[in-house]
Amino acid sequence: GEDVEQSLFLSVREGDSSVINCTYTDSSSTYLYWYKQEPGAGLQLLTYIFSNMDMKQDQRLTVLLNKKDKHLSLRIADTQTGDSAIYFCAERRGNMDTGRRALTFGSGTRLQVQP
Amino acid sequence: NAGVMQNPRHLVRRRGQEARLRCSPMKGHSHVYWYRQLPEEGLKFMVYLQKENIIDESGMPKERFSAEFPKEGPSILRIQQVVRGDSAAYFCASSQTTGEGEKLFFGSGTQLSVL
Repeated sequence: GEDVEQSLFLSVREGDSSVINCTYTDSSSTYLYWYKQEPGAGLQLLTYIFSNMDMKQDQRLTVLLNKKDKHLSLRIADTQTGDSAIYFCAERRGNMDTGRRALTFGSGTRLQVQP
Repeated sequence: NAGVMQNPRHLVRRRGQEARLRCSPMKGHSHVYWYRQLPEEGLKFMVYLQKENIIDESGMPKERFSAEFPKEGPSILRIQQVVRGDSAAYFCASSQTTGEGEKLFFGSGTQLSVL
């Protein structure tokens, strides 16, 4: 199975808050990321959090990290129709010395915002 | 500053042909990553390169796939003797920094269709 897991789908009404959840398995993960993918486009980095933090806020985005439970969430306040997209969480694992630098992605959560 | 450029956007090949996918990283970026995305799935790491060096190819199939990032020119992902299972979106990402906190910037991808 996937090392990084996300629910597949989330539907919210415009103006509500959206919370997208992610669980990961590698306790050595150093950085965790949220990316947004719109149809036919590449991934756009939204925000990231270092593993020694438990919260990061950036305008409408709030990232919460529970390292004990290996749980990451992305909260989007005042969700707009333009936020409709697929959201991927990704982890970067430790040990840069081995040259292993790749991000491991979840399968993505499709966010649908109803007007 | 142009983003990560990938071409072509769409590539159609018949089984047994070769596919060449190109990626020009952002200006000043010397780290390139290739990822593959199957429908309804997340991105799977394939290979990480620096100029003239393959650093990590642990995600690359052992046969038919190769990648390069020459001193001059774009990074190339080459797939020989394509099969239908190679049909996917291939994304390239680049980064500037080494070490922790590295941010990957993605191109818009090449959609490969094998007939």
